[in-house]
Amino acid sequence: KAGVTQTPRYLIKTRGQQVTLSCSPISGHRSVSWYQQTPGQGLQFLFEYFSETQRNKGNFPGRFSGRQFSNSRSEMNVSTLELGDSALYLCASSLGQGKSPEAFFGQGTRLTVV
Amino acid sequence: GNSVTQMEGPVTLSEEAFLTINCTYTATGYPSLFWYVQYPGEGLQLLLKATKADDKGSNKGFEATYRKETTSFHLEKGSVQVSDSAVYFCALSDIAGGTSYGKLTFGQGTILTVHP
Repeated sequence: KAGVTQTPRYLIKTRGQQVTLSCSPISGHRSVSWYQQTPGQGLQFLFEYFSETQRNKGNFPGRFSGRQFSNSRSEMNVSTLELGDSALYLCASSLGQGKSPEAFFGQGTRLTVV
Repeated sequence: GNSVTQMEGPVTLSEEAFLTINCTYTATGYPSLFWYVQYPGEGLQLLLKATKADDKGSNKGFEATYRKETTSFHLEKGSVQVSDSAVYFCALSDIAGGTSYGKLTFGQGTILTVHP
């Protein structure tokens, strides 16, 4: 069974640009969550999508947005990039219902804003 | 709100030493608890889980018991190896009422270094 796939693995962008990150979840998983990991703030929850609907949202500015497609693949977009957006962005896939809340993570996308 | 607290500072051990990484939590409901491990340049791997009080999660020689009375989920291993060197994260998922699916709350992580 294929794991969670995130693309691209590495990105370098300039301040003010926008970026789109992609996540393909494990087959059969309907929930995709996104996290930002930085040395200073640790792992912070961005948002979660289930069946194409945002079900949960963290405390990030509106520049961070996402969506989920009918095949459960998800994209995350960051507009007007700032230097502080440099981080490892992790996507996690889970069933999203029932009594199995465990999530499985991709390898992440390392975003560097210069 | 929910929170997870892990023991401070990096942990350095010699091979075959006993490992304990402390984790305590605060949650409004009845959370599920997890330990994840992150190797350099990688994402997080699920190490073990426990979904109710007194459950013991175990995997690859690691164990953790869900202690509701002390709100703790300490990670232990009887004999660590050099290959266990990584960052370990304690996390909780509070899905009571169905409002927190997909959201994990993480501790700050503990860096483990094991020397030969």
